[in-house]
Amino acid sequence: RKEVEQDPGPFNVPEGATVAFNCTYSNSASQSFFWYRQDCRKEPKLLMSVYSSGNEDGRFTAQLNRASQYISLLIRDSKLSDSATYLCVVKGGGNKLTFGTGTQLKVEL
Amino acid sequence: EAGVTQSPTHLIKPSGQQATLRCSPISGHTSVYWYQQALGLGLQFLLWYDEGEERNRGNFPPRFSGRQFPNYSSELNVNALELEDSALYLCANPRQGSLTGELFFGEGSRLTVL
Repeated sequence: RKEVEQDPGPFNVPEGATVAFNCTYSNSASQSFFWYRQDCRKEPKLLMSVYSSGNEDGRFTAQLNRASQYISLLIRDSKLSDSATYLCVVKGGGNKLTFGTGTQLKVEL
Repeated sequence: EAGVTQSPTHLIKPSGQQATLRCSPISGHTSVYWYQQALGLGLQFLLWYDEGEERNRGNFPPRFSGRQFPNYSSELNVNALELEDSALYLCANPRQGSLTGELFFGEGSRLTVL
């Protein structure tokens, strides 16, 4: 089983739609969780951290379910500019960050 | 202030040879991570250097090696290149002064092995 698993997609959604991605992780001792965004042929960039109580940043909402070992990212009112690959990232021991393979989102007119 | 810079941008090498990739961190940052991003596999952790020492290593064979220089720049060497080493190699600095998961990535070096 992979340490961090994501549905690769692509998720094709119309502009204005709400879309949600899930990510599961295998190590119950994982400490911190993040979502990164990677545009085509560009480097990944931090989108947001995921806090235990859930957190929101504008149109983006992240949630963590430790019991089921998954995190989610919800994007409301999708924009064309949201088209990218979203990487789920889990931080474990030794300061090691483990990246999922990413979920591709395509927002269409 | 310059971000993380990597060179070369692209590199093409025949199998069996060696590739050397370079990374200059953000000024003042002492910690450097190396990741491999191969098609369909996502980012795979390769190496972590801090203060000139190797702190952690991913699940890669010994022909992947590196070092960090006194000025905190870093080099990744891949010996005896294989076709499956073709990938984007990313160098990153963690955010200073915190234990969060924010990494600042360079634009990467794309290695193609023929």
